[in-house]
Amino acid sequence: DVKVTQSSRYLVKRTGEKVFLECVQDMDHENMFWYRQDPGLGLRLIYFSYDVKMKEKGDIPEGYSVSREKKERFSLILESASTNQTSMYLCASSLADPPDTQYFGPGTRLTVL
Amino acid sequence: AQTVTQSQPEMSVQEAETVTLSCTYDTSESNYYLFWYKQPPSRQMILVIRQEAYKQQNATENRFSVNFQKAAKSFSLKISDSQLGDTAMYFCASSAWFGNEKLTFGTGTRLTIIP
Repeated sequence: DVKVTQSSRYLVKRTGEKVFLECVQDMDHENMFWYRQDPGLGLRLIYFSYDVKMKEKGDIPEGYSVSREKKERFSLILESASTNQTSMYLCASSLADPPDTQYFGPGTRLTVL
Repeated sequence: AQTVTQSQPEMSVQEAETVTLSCTYDTSESNYYLFWYKQPPSRQMILVIRQEAYKQQNATENRFSVNFQKAAKSFSLKISDSQLGDTAMYFCASSAWFGNEKLTFGTGTRLTIIP
């Protein structure tokens, strides 16, 4: 079974702090994704990566950055957390072309005070 | 650009009944995939069913089936003999065929199965 794990289920941070969210997958998937999930808005793509050290902006990259130094690990970084970044963050991974099933982690609920 | 619209924010149905969740989409791609994902309360998102747009036959997975109307850009999910474990948020999503595996999600439908 594909397993995607995220470093924390719940996280509380203060405005201005630097926040790291980590995601690890164990199925040698090329693609990894970060989404945020907000009520009434569904899932919105923040960043994705199709290979080590490769990244592309999604639909809402402002205020975020990412790092993929190893194939199995994809980190989301909030350089200076703000209250409007309070959300559920979901990581996912998939094989490469053609579009394949994305496997999701359990999510990190981040609260920025 | 792709857009996905789910017009039913919430639905409820009695156990063992059949329920249909609606989804419409818009895309400029000639080839694409469509998906339904399920997110149970406090649990991970999982794939329910997927459909390749070039296939005319509707996809089926056990109690789950889709009604894919390509010309109308409609992709509804039918759940037969609904069970309590079907209670979840359901998201419709689309993806281009080549070169871009990004999923575009709808806003979701919260489905509650009533015992």
